[in-house]
Amino acid sequence: QKEVEQNSGPLSVPEGAIASLNCTYSDRVSQSFFWYRQYSGKSPELIMSIYSNGDKEDGRFTAQLNKASQYVSLLIRDSQPSDSATYLCAVNEGSNYQLIWGAGTKLIIKP
Amino acid sequence: DAGITQSPRHKVTETGTPVTLRCHQTENHRYMYWYRQDPGHGLRLIHYSYGVKDTDKGEVSDGYSVSRSKTEDFLLTLESATSSQTSVYFCAISGGTSGVNEQFFGPGTRLTVL
Repeated sequence: QKEVEQNSGPLSVPEGAIASLNCTYSDRVSQSFFWYRQYSGKSPELIMSIYSNGDKEDGRFTAQLNKASQYVSLLIRDSQPSDSATYLCAVNEGSNYQLIWGAGTKLIIKP
Repeated sequence: DAGITQSPRHKVTETGTPVTLRCHQTENHRYMYWYRQDPGHGLRLIHYSYGVKDTDKGEVSDGYSVSRSKTEDFLLTLESATSSQTSVYFCAISGGTSGVNEQFFGPGTRLTVL
C-alpha cells in the first residue's frame, strides 16, 4: 500500500514566524511532489511542485525534497493569518500520472 | 480555477435516487479525475479518464460510474445514492503545459444523501 503521511495538526505558528510542514512517502520511484493549500470550504490549490532533490523557492514558500530519506517539506516564511489553511502533500504514484494524497496538515497562524 | 466548473454546486437527494455530477473544462487537458473528500480520509480517487471514452477505476469506485464523451466533459453518476456517498466531490484535470502530474481542481460539489 503506497502511502503519503502528514501530521494532521493543528500546527499553530505565531504571525511572522516560519511554518514548517512535513510529509513522508513510501513509493521510492515517485518523481513528482506537490503541495496544495486548501481553505475551509474551498478546493485544493496548487502552490508548489518539486521534482529534484534540494530546495525550490517561490516567494515566501520553499519546498524541500530529500528522495533518499523519502520526505518533502514546505516552509512558509513570514507567516500571515491568510496562510491559515490545510496543506495537502501529493506524490505521483510510481511512473504513473496519478497522485497519492496525504490527509493534510491544518496550519493556524496566530496574530 | 483553471477553467474548470462543476455542476451542481450543492445537491440534496434521497437514498435510492440516481445522481449525476458534471465537470466541464475549457483547458483541453487530457486527464480528468473525480475525487471525494471526507473528514479523516483526505482526497480519495473515484474514477479517472485518460482520454475521450477512456476511463478507469480509482480506489473507491464501488457505486459510481463515469462517462467521457467529449474532452471537456466528465460525468460522475451515482446509480442509486446511499447515505455513505454524502461527501464533497471534486473534479480535477491535468495534462497541460505544466505536465501530466500537476492537477487543478474545480470548485467542488457538496452532495447530501438523506
